[in-house]
Amino acid sequence: QSALTQPASVSGSPGQSITISCTGTSSDVGGYNYVSWYQQHPGKAPKLMIYDVSDRPSGVSNRFSGSKSGNTASLTISGLQPEDEADYYCGSYSASNTPVVFGGGTKLTVL
Amino acid sequence: EVHLLESGGGLVQPGGSLRLSCAASEFIFSSHALSWVRQAPGRGLEWVSTISTSDGDTYYADSVKGRFTISRDNSKSTLYLQMNSLRAEDTAVYYCVKRKWTGSGFLPFDHWGQGTRVTVSS
Repeated sequence: QSALTQPASVSGSPGQSITISCTGTSSDVGGYNYVSWYQQHPGKAPKLMIYDVSDRPSGVSNRFSGSKSGNTASLTISGLQPEDEADYYCGSYSASNTPVVFGGGTKLTVL
Repeated sequence: EVHLLESGGGLVQPGGSLRLSCAASEFIFSSHALSWVRQAPGRGLEWVSTISTSDGDTYYADSVKGRFTISRDNSKSTLYLQMNSLRAEDTAVYYCVKRKWTGSGFLPFDHWGQGTRVTVSS
């Protein structure tokens, strides 16, 4: 069982917006602004999409945005495109004895 | 462009050992904390271990503590993971990952290797 909770799947049509949630505790997501999001296509390595809750690495589309409220972080993808179909994982620093925790992953389907 | 290339994976019997390597290039290797993250077949990401820039501080997931050892050779820009007493549940793709920022810390992981597959089975 993963430390952070994500929905198993979300879906949307091209052009729509979707949001993926990532719920933790005050010891991880809620206590620190060290939440990051990773995109993983089948058979490929994960790719950093959002870091420090809402910052976007160079080269990542501005259709991807992140936010946080309390113990829940969110990844929003606007203007869905077919190539956005992938698994998405959140990660956070944790003050527990496991300093890095991940969510179980969310499969995004673009209908 | 930053490059991380893992090697050393393969098939090993339960109780056996493997040593993974990760050759890095195009960044100041000694300035960044490095980690191993694994992904079991059909499962999510699991943090395994992190080593600080100075090699003085190492961190492990409870599931591997006492069995795995992370190390680095800054002169060779290479990260290692010595895995002993391997179990079936260690079967996974192991990724070498680089922290975005220099200095101490863990996240975010801004570059990932392509992964090396470890299979523990008799």
